[in-house]
Amino acid sequence: DSGVTQTPKHLITATGQRVTLRCSPRSGDLSVYWYQQSLDQGLQFLIQYYNGEERAKGNILERFSAQQFPDLHSELNLSSLELGDSALYFCASSVGGLAGGHGETQYFGPGTRLLVL
Amino acid sequence: QQQVKQSPQSLIVQKGGISIINCAYENTAFDYFPWYQQFPGKGPALLIAIRPDVSEKKEGRFTISFNKSAKQFSLHIMDSQPGDSATYFCAAGGSNYQLIWGAGTKLIIKP
Repeated sequence: DSGVTQTPKHLITATGQRVTLRCSPRSGDLSVYWYQQSLDQGLQFLIQYYNGEERAKGNILERFSAQQFPDLHSELNLSSLELGDSALYFCASSVGGLAGGHGETQYFGPGTRLLVL
Repeated sequence: QQQVKQSPQSLIVQKGGISIINCAYENTAFDYFPWYQQFPGKGPALLIAIRPDVSEKKEGRFTISFNKSAKQFSLHIMDSQPGDSATYFCAAGGSNYQLIWGAGTKLIIKP
């Protein structure tokens, strides 16, 4: 158990809808990262927050947004969902805030499996 | 965007054999190279990492070999066991750079 929690575990929704994925980092970790893993594909970095502020941005679509709250939990909002958004979404956390988590171990949660029908 | 090219995409190794996964990067400013292991239904977990000041790092049956001039690094799993069956991701990063991930290698160890 990494200590990172993600909810929900599974999510089924329809095209055009909006969903919110939630992540709680490990105790003491200030950075949260969001990743997308499509079927048979690698990890695509979406965005990193450090202590409430956006720290690094990857291939995140304009339809997607994220935030980190004062209690350090984070939410990833996905809107106007398309079939191609079906994927596993991982949250990871690390102690510090170097952009991209350079040199730091990232601890991954169990993921949220999103299916858009 | 900088890429990390990982090969092979999938690998089948007999129990007790050596599993080798290779990665190549482009940016010479990268100075942190981790390997993550992912079991089905789980998130990736750090397995081993190396910095370019050493050419090799060993932790148990897992070894990273690093070739700075060739901009390549590889993961060797000695005496591979069925419990090593997983997907392995390499990544590369540096100061002010996002961690760039390889596409992953699905490793199957046959008993």
